[in-house]
Amino acid sequence: EIVLTQSPVTLSSSPGERATLSCRASQSVSSSDLAWYQQKPGQAPRLLIYRASSRATGIPDRFSGSGSGTDFTLTISRLEPEDFAVYYCQQYGSSQTFTFGPGTKVDI
Amino acid sequence: QVQLVQSGAEVKKPGASVKVSCKASGYTFTNHYTHWVRQAPGQGPVWMGWINPNTGNTKFAQKFQGRVTLITDTSINTAYMELNNLRFDDTAVYYCARETTIIGVRAFDIWGQGTLVTVSS
Repeated sequence: EIVLTQSPVTLSSSPGERATLSCRASQSVSSSDLAWYQQKPGQAPRLLIYRASSRATGIPDRFSGSGSGTDFTLTISRLEPEDFAVYYCQQYGSSQTFTFGPGTKVDI
Repeated sequence: QVQLVQSGAEVKKPGASVKVSCKASGYTFTNHYTHWVRQAPGQGPVWMGWINPNTGNTKFAQKFQGRVTLITDTSINTAYMELNNLRFDDTAVYYCARETTIIGVRAFDIWGQGTLVTVSS
């Protein structure tokens, strides 16, 4: 089973700054099978990025994804107040199962 | 609009079962797999399994195999998740989620609002 590790655990930033979040897989993952979600307190996760770099419907272009193999990155180019949340990566594995990372909290 | 609406919070005793419903609207229910994901307090999401509403086929995470049942009632566009033999560490928010039909993409684009299941003696 593929294990996802996210870093940092917490990212302290300010509005207007750039945020770079990392997701590392224990073995190679197809880029097609890597997604990112945002979750705010009391809400369900929201799909941000699929296929490692494609933005989901309605997601602002300040969010971008990149990476391949075992290393993937979510970048928020200029943090807005509403971007302070927890971000999870998720992968789909060869055994038709899904795994989430432990999350990165972006806070002020 | 496209949405998934789940049933309300539940409090159960250890050893009991819980059944959570998830009603879909705004899209063709049988065209999308329905997944179930749970999230314990302060923890990340954990995928539990999926069901294909069109065929009834299911797939479960090994952790839940044998203890969870997924079914759908396509006449009312509703999916159900039943978890048996509840333990204290099953206390969590349970979500249903729609899998996107973007070709080649396995991700969840619509989520229910979540159902809090509390296991307490």
